[in-house]
Amino acid sequence: NAGVTQTPKFQVLKTGQSMTLQCAQDMNHNSMYWYRQDPGMGLRLIYYSASEGTTDKGEVPNGYNVSRLNKREFSLRLESAAPSQTSVYFCASSRNPGTGTTDTQYFGPGTRLTVL
Amino acid sequence: DAKTTQPPSMDCAEGRAANLPCNHSTISGNEYVYWYRQIHSQGPQYIIHGLKNNETNEMASLIITEDRKSSTLILPHATLRDTAVYYCIVRAGRGSTLGRLYFGRGTQLTVWP
Repeated sequence: NAGVTQTPKFQVLKTGQSMTLQCAQDMNHNSMYWYRQDPGMGLRLIYYSASEGTTDKGEVPNGYNVSRLNKREFSLRLESAAPSQTSVYFCASSRNPGTGTTDTQYFGPGTRLTVL
Repeated sequence: DAKTTQPPSMDCAEGRAANLPCNHSTISGNEYVYWYRQIHSQGPQYIIHGLKNNETNEMASLIITEDRKSSTLILPHATLRDTAVYYCIVRAGRGSTLGRLYFGRGTQLTVWP
C-alpha cells in the first residue's frame, strides 16, 4: 500500500494563478482531510470530507475549494492564489471520523506551495 | 475542543526515556488525548491515544492522570530518529467537530548522542 499520496510535491505560482492539489489514498478510508502548515506552526484544518459525497469547512477555508471525486481522491483547489497561501499542504485520511483506532489519521508527504 | 499546553522544546540523551508532558486542564468527559509527531518536513505520524486509562503500544506509553487534566507521553528508549515535534491533541469523540484534529505548536524533542 502506498498510503496517502499527494501531487505535486513542490509548486510555485504567481499571484492570481489557479491550481489543484491532488490527494489519493488506497486504504479504503471513508474520511479525508486537507491541512495547511505555516512555518513554525501546527497544522490547521482547511476542509474535510467525512464520507464520499460530503465536504465541510474547517478552521481556514477561505480561498479554497475542495472536491471529493470518489472514495479514494480528495482535491484542493486554489482559484486565485495569494501570497498568504504560501504554505505546506498536507492531506490525511482516516477510516471513519469516529473514536479510537478507526479515527487515526494517516498523512501524506505534503505539497510545498510558494505564491509569489 | 480542549486546548493543550506543551513545553516548546525538550532534550533527551539517546537510550534514555523521553517524557513529554501535556496539560489539558479543560478536558471534558468525552474527549480523547491523541499524540502525533512530525519529523522534519514530513507528514504527521500517529503515535498513541487514550481516554482515561494508561495505554502502551510498540511506539510509546501514554500516562493520563486520574483527573485527566494532564498526560505524559513516554518514549522508553529514545533514539536519534525520535527527534521530531510532538503534538498533544485533545478532541471530542462525537458532535460537529468529529474527526477534526486541532494542532498546537507542539514540543520539539531533540535526542542527542
